[in-house]
Amino acid sequence: DTGVSQNPRHKITKRGQNVTFRCDPISEHNRLYWYRQTLGQGPEFLTYFQNEAQLEKSRLLSDRFSAERPKGSFSTLEIQRTEQGDSAMYLCASSETQSGSTDTQYFGPGTRLTVL
Amino acid sequence: AQSVTQLDSHVSVSEGTPVLLRCNYSSSYSPSLFWYVQHPNKGLQLLLKYTSAATLVKGINGFEAEFKKSETSFHLTKPSAHMSDAAEYFCVVSVMWDTGRRALTFGSGTRLQVQP
Repeated sequence: DTGVSQNPRHKITKRGQNVTFRCDPISEHNRLYWYRQTLGQGPEFLTYFQNEAQLEKSRLLSDRFSAERPKGSFSTLEIQRTEQGDSAMYLCASSETQSGSTDTQYFGPGTRLTVL
Repeated sequence: AQSVTQLDSHVSVSEGTPVLLRCNYSSSYSPSLFWYVQHPNKGLQLLLKYTSAATLVKGINGFEAEFKKSETSFHLTKPSAHMSDAAEYFCVVSVMWDTGRRALTFGSGTRLQVQP
């Protein structure tokens, strides 16, 4: 079990550019989540996949954000036309279905985005 | 709606003394509650999880938390602090909705400092 991995770990971009992040969940975890964490705050939910289906999106996820999980394994999060307000740590988590109980989510190390 | 309030943004203790990190929750349904820890430049790590099986939950590294429904609290404690406990701690609530949403709602965090 290698845990949840995220790439890249750091990304610096200029305002207006597009960026894409990748998350590889723990193998055989059918659920995958994206969160955003700004400095001094707790993570905030962005979106959730069960297998390849995107089941939930937060109001935080503007039209410039899109997430995919095409084969139900890894996921990508793309931000188009980045803005300085997008600067944050983007966290990915995965879990497996647990009957009668709330899943335990395991988090990756995050991708830190800096928009200049 | 669900939410958590972490009552202290910073807590400072001396090594070897008890730790108390306070958390109050709000939930319309029977909640699942978690404590996660985040060390600098590392991913979020699950400390412990409450899912109604027992009100006193034991976690890793000597931490435990007690669910008190009458007080809507889920405080985290440790009898004796260690220098390695210095980190950011997040109280987290999750509720299973009919829609299948399973996102976590994080508190704003408590930074624990441990003085030698």
